[in-house]
Formats: sequence, structure tokens, C-alpha cells
Amino acid sequence: AQSVTQLDSQVPVFEEAPVELRCNYSSSVSVYLFWYVQYPNQGLQLLLKYLSGSTLVESINGFEAEFNKSQTSFHLRKPSVHISDTAEYFCAVNTGRRALTFGSGTRLQVQP
Amino acid sequence: GAGVSQSPRYKVAKRGQDVALRCDPISGHVSLFWYQQALGQGPEFLTYFQNEAQLDKSGLPSDRFFAERPEGSVSTLKIQRTQQEDSAVYLCASKEGAGANVLTFGAGSRLTVL
Repeated sequence: AQSVTQLDSQVPVFEEAPVELRCNYSSSVSVYLFWYVQYPNQGLQLLLKYLSGSTLVESINGFEAEFNKSQTSFHLRKPSVHISDTAEYFCAVNTGRRALTFGSGTRLQVQP
Repeated sequence: GAGVSQSPRYKVAKRGQDVALRCDPISGHVSLFWYQQALGQGPEFLTYFQNEAQLDKSGLPSDRFFAERPEGSVSTLKIQRTQQEDSAVYLCASKEGAGANVLTFGAGSRLTVL
């Protein structure tokens, strides 16, 4: 079975500060990893994904995540956050089976 | 359509009522998923369709939950005799193929059972 752990339920940070949202997974087989973002009253939107190849993946709005197989982690980082990044962030894993398994989410609160 | 469309966006039901939630996936998307997202939690898998075939319903919490996709496009999630613990956002997602492609989610249907 696969599972995803997001240890931080909330992360408050000041605008323009760096941030890291942690994600660890457990799986006995190869995985595909995703970060989704959910803005208030909206559906989940894909932020970035790791399927294969380079272990460092980037999004168009400055987020990046690195797949670390030995630490079974896929932490999300941004060097300088904006107020507009305030949202709920979900890490998810898929082993090639049909359904994604999601973590419980991390609420990023960017303060001015 | 351009995205995954869900209706109604909000539904208030009295305990014991039946509800039906609709999902219109992206045109041509083969795979369709239903997830349940309780307040403050991540989405939990309910069921999966490939075209009209329901290939996995292991996440449905009880036999009061029923999903169908009779023509391989629109899907309906039905909850019979709703209970307060059914209150949640029900998310629908679709993807083009059956492999590990990206899911596109709808905005969800928020069900409140009084």
C-alpha cells in the first residue's frame, strides 16, 4: 500500500521569504509524485509532477520540488513567496495503479 | 468541455434524503474518478471508471454510495439516506488515458447534511 505524509498542517510565512512544504511517502514500488494546489472554493490544480528523468521539477510560478528516493521525500520549495501563494497544498503519489493517494494537506499562509 | 464540470456546487440535504451529484468530465477523457474531501483533510478515493466500466469501487464507504457512468462520459454519484458524516466536498477528476497521466479536477460539490 502507498501513503503520503505531510507533517505540517499549517505554514505561516512572511511575503518574500522562502518556504518549504514537506512531503514523505511510503511505497514498495516505483512512484509518480505530484503537488496540487487548492485555492479557496476551487478545485485542485496541478502544480508540478515527477514522472521520470530529472529529480528536480519546476512549476511556471516559481515552485520547485525534488524527488529524493533514498529519503522517500518530495518537498516543495519556493525561494520567495507572494501573498497570492496563500492556499492549501497537497502532495500525492501514484504507483501506476489507477488512483492517486493524497496527503492531508498543508495550508500556506503568506503574511504581508 | 474545457474543464471538468460538477453540479450542484452546493447541496444541503436533510438527514435521510437521497442526493445525486453530477460530473461532466473533459470530452474524450477515458478515466473518471470520484474523491471525497472532508473538512481539513486531503481527498480520499471513492471510485474509478474507465469508460463506462466501474473498475474500482473499493473506496465507497458504504452501500449507500453508488456511482454510475452509463455512456462513458457523464457520471453521477448517488448517496442514499444521507447521514451527517457524509458532509464533505465531493471531487470529480478525469484523465485522458488509463496510465499515470495528470488528473484534472472539477471544483467539487459541497454536501452539507443537517
